[in-house]
Order: sequence, then structure tokens, then C-alpha cells
Amino acid sequence: SQTIHQWPATLVQPVGSPLSLECTVEGTSNPNLYWYRQAAGRGLQLLFYSVGIGQISSEVPQNLSASRPQDRQFILSSKKLLLSDSGFYLCAWSPGGGTNTGELFFGEGSRLTVL
Amino acid sequence: DAKTTQPPSMDCAEGRAANLPCNHSTISGNEYVYWYRQIHSQGPQYIIHGLKNNETNEMASLIITEDRKSSTLILPHATLRDTAVYYCIVRLAHNQGGKLIFGQGTELSVKP
Repeated sequence: SQTIHQWPATLVQPVGSPLSLECTVEGTSNPNLYWYRQAAGRGLQLLFYSVGIGQISSEVPQNLSASRPQDRQFILSSKKLLLSDSGFYLCAWSPGGGTNTGELFFGEGSRLTVL
Repeated sequence: DAKTTQPPSMDCAEGRAANLPCNHSTISGNEYVYWYRQIHSQGPQYIIHGLKNNETNEMASLIITEDRKSSTLILPHATLRDTAVYYCIVRLAHNQGGKLIFGQGTELSVKP
């Protein structure tokens, strides 16, 4: 069966420090991968998605970047964190290829607090 | 992708049916209706999706109006564990470039 893991689960970082959140998927190949952010309250914002290694699409301009160095690995990074980067970050995957039903499978989330 | 409108919150008595409405008046003919829910501090969970016909699975039923401008998610016998934020999303098929864009959702509170 497929599983998705992201870490760290919680993170407290000072303003201006770097960030690296990692997400890995097991049990499938060539998945579509996504990073979402949820600020205070509800409503998830799609940040990045990837349909293959090295292929990253950014949905909104921001202080963050994403990379996909391996087929099942998706990394969210920042060189210098801002206070506004605080939030709940969620990684998700969906089956690749043209027969995708649209169902996303989410990780446990990483809660980032920037002080 | 079309925009959806949902009430911000709803209450439901435990054991009763929960009917969550969603308006999507600008939906196009090839856009699907998806429902997800998010329990506090967890990742969203897929519930159900449909295009034109009503759908039912082990979690819920999805009723889509004939003109497809609105839909209702039905939890037939709500339990306390169904307390969550429910998101209604419309999107193109993935192979047509569709992405899941979440709105504010409906916060459902199931009360004993």
C-alpha cells in the first residue's frame, strides 16, 4: 500500500533562518506531488505541484521554493523565513498519468512557527 | 477552476443526517465536484466526487442537481467523529490541467 510521510512535524524557527521540509511517498511510482499551506483558520493554499522529477510549477509568488530531486521526494525550502511563512504545511500525492481520478492523499502536516 | 460557495458553519445532532450544501453556479460541463474533509490538525481526507450522476460510497452520498449548479453532501448518520471542516471543490480532470483548489469550507459540528 502507498504511504506518505513528511517531516519535521513541528518546527520553530527565527525570522531570517532557512527552512527545509521533506516529503516522501512509498508504494507508488511517478506520483504527482503537491505542497499546500494552511495559515491561521482554515483554507488551504496550493503552493507547488510537480508531475515529475525536476518539474515544479509554482502557484503563487512567495518566499518559498520546491524541488523534486527523486521520483518520490518533494522538498519545500526557504533561504530566509518571514513571519508570514508561519502555518501548517501539507504535502500530498496523487497517482500520475492520465487516468488520475483527482483524489489526493495528504501527509500528516508540518506546523511551522516563525518568531 | 470554478468557484464554490458554502455556508461557514453548520450544526447537526448525532445520529441524524448531515446535509452540506454547495453552490457552484459557474461550473463548466467537464468539471467534477469533489468533497474533502479536514479534522482539526490533520491533512484533508477525500470523501467522494461526481460529474453528473449522484454518487454513494461507504462514507457519504453526493447529490448533484440536474443543472449542476449546486450539490449536497449527505452524511446519513452523523457521529461525533464527523466533526470537521468540509470542502466542496470543482475542478477539471487532472489530464485537463485541473488542480484541487480549496476554499473556506463548512465547519460541521456534530453534537450529542
